[in-house]
Amino acid sequence: AQSVTQLDSHVSVSEGTPVLLRCNYSSSYSPSLFWYVQHPNKGLQLLLKYTSAATLVKGINGFEAEFKKSETSFHLTKPSAHMSDAAEYFCVVITAGGTSYGKLTFGQGTILTVHP
Amino acid sequence: NAGVTQTPKFRVLKTGQSMTLLCAQDMNHEYMYWYRQDPGMGLRLIHYSVGEGTTAKGEVPDGYNVSRLKKQNFLLGLESAAPSQTSVYFCASIRSGSYNEQFFGPGTRLTVL
Repeated sequence: AQSVTQLDSHVSVSEGTPVLLRCNYSSSYSPSLFWYVQHPNKGLQLLLKYTSAATLVKGINGFEAEFKKSETSFHLTKPSAHMSDAAEYFCVVITAGGTSYGKLTFGQGTILTVHP
Repeated sequence: NAGVTQTPKFRVLKTGQSMTLLCAQDMNHEYMYWYRQDPGMGLRLIHYSVGEGTTAKGEVPDGYNVSRLKKQNFLLGLESAAPSQTSVYFCASIRSGSYNEQFFGPGTRLTVL
């Protein structure tokens, strides 16, 4: 079984300040973890992915995430928010083993608001 | 190479009407999935297929049927639409064993009145 919990449904920051979006996961096997972003009325765009290589993963647009097995967390960060970062973010887990058949499990989403 | 495409992009139905959503991929992927997206709930898996002629239930399968007669196409059917099926529907595909590369379609916005 696998599950994902995004700890904040809404996060609000000022432009130029750091962003932290929190994600905890549960997985019976070694997980792969992803962050997706969705801008209003748009599709899903992959930000970054962790696949058991380096625990600190760098993605597009200055985002990065750190896989912490001991804390079962995969938090998304960015040093300085930009207005264009305003969107909804999804943490996603996939379990390669067992009978998951590649099924993705999504978190509930975090809406990021960036104030000027 | 178009990737994953979905037809239609938008649709409005009346309660009780039926319709079929088409997902097509040109990457020769074995696995295909239908998800629905609702506010505050992320994306939830409706049905999936691990190969031509095979389908399986996901997390929220009630009220939907699917078929995978051709490897490149995955159809999602609503036999008798209900307002609770108002949602955005996303299709995805991956190559067997390459679970780290999912490809999503652009979505279909369905409203049931």
